[in-house]
Amino acid sequence: AQSVAQPEDQVNVAEGNPLTVKCTYSVSGNPYLFWYVQYPNRGLQFLLKYITGDNLVKGSYGFEAEFNKSQTSFHLKKPSALVSDSALYFCAVRDIGGATNKLIFGTGTLLAVQP
Amino acid sequence: EPEVTQTPSHQVTQMGQEVILRCVPISNHLYFYWYRQILGQKVEFLVSFYNNEISEKSEIFDDQFSVERPDGSNFTLKIRSTKLEDSAMYFCASGDRVGRYGYTFGSGTRLTVV
Repeated sequence: AQSVAQPEDQVNVAEGNPLTVKCTYSVSGNPYLFWYVQYPNRGLQFLLKYITGDNLVKGSYGFEAEFNKSQTSFHLKKPSALVSDSALYFCAVRDIGGATNKLIFGTGTLLAVQP
Repeated sequence: EPEVTQTPSHQVTQMGQEVILRCVPISNHLYFYWYRQILGQKVEFLVSFYNNEISEKSEIFDDQFSVERPDGSNFTLKIRSTKLEDSAMYFCASGDRVGRYGYTFGSGTRLTVV
């Protein structure tokens, strides 16, 4: 079965420092991987996705993610964190085993950026 | 940019009452989904809908739940007799080409059962 793991419940980083939010995946076949962000009391906003092609994917708000097939990882990164980046981040993988390829989400990582 | 619209944004209901959560997916999308997120926790799949029928459902989606696309634009989730544990944020999503081009989520309906 397809799955994603987010090993950190929370990541703390100082404003201006680089940030990394980790995600590893387990799929059979080629993965479609996604990152979503959820601000307090808000919905899920799409950040970026990897389908095929360049391993470094650039997304919204200056975020990027690197697909690493050998390490089965898809870590989310940003060179310089902002306080406004503080939110809950979800990694997700498309489930290719089901009938309609639904998304399977990780447990989420709370990013806290201190001023 | 096209959006998925959900109404209401917040609904409070008494235990045992029926609720209907409404969604307007992106018009040229073919696949529709409901997900649930209990406060601050993991986002869980409930059901997917394609070609006017349920194509997949999770174990959470029991007989108390149903979905409909009554008029070709709206997509509804009905909970027949709500329980306290149904309190959660419910997200509607739509997608095309089975996820290759991404999924768009609505802003959610926060359901509170009292």
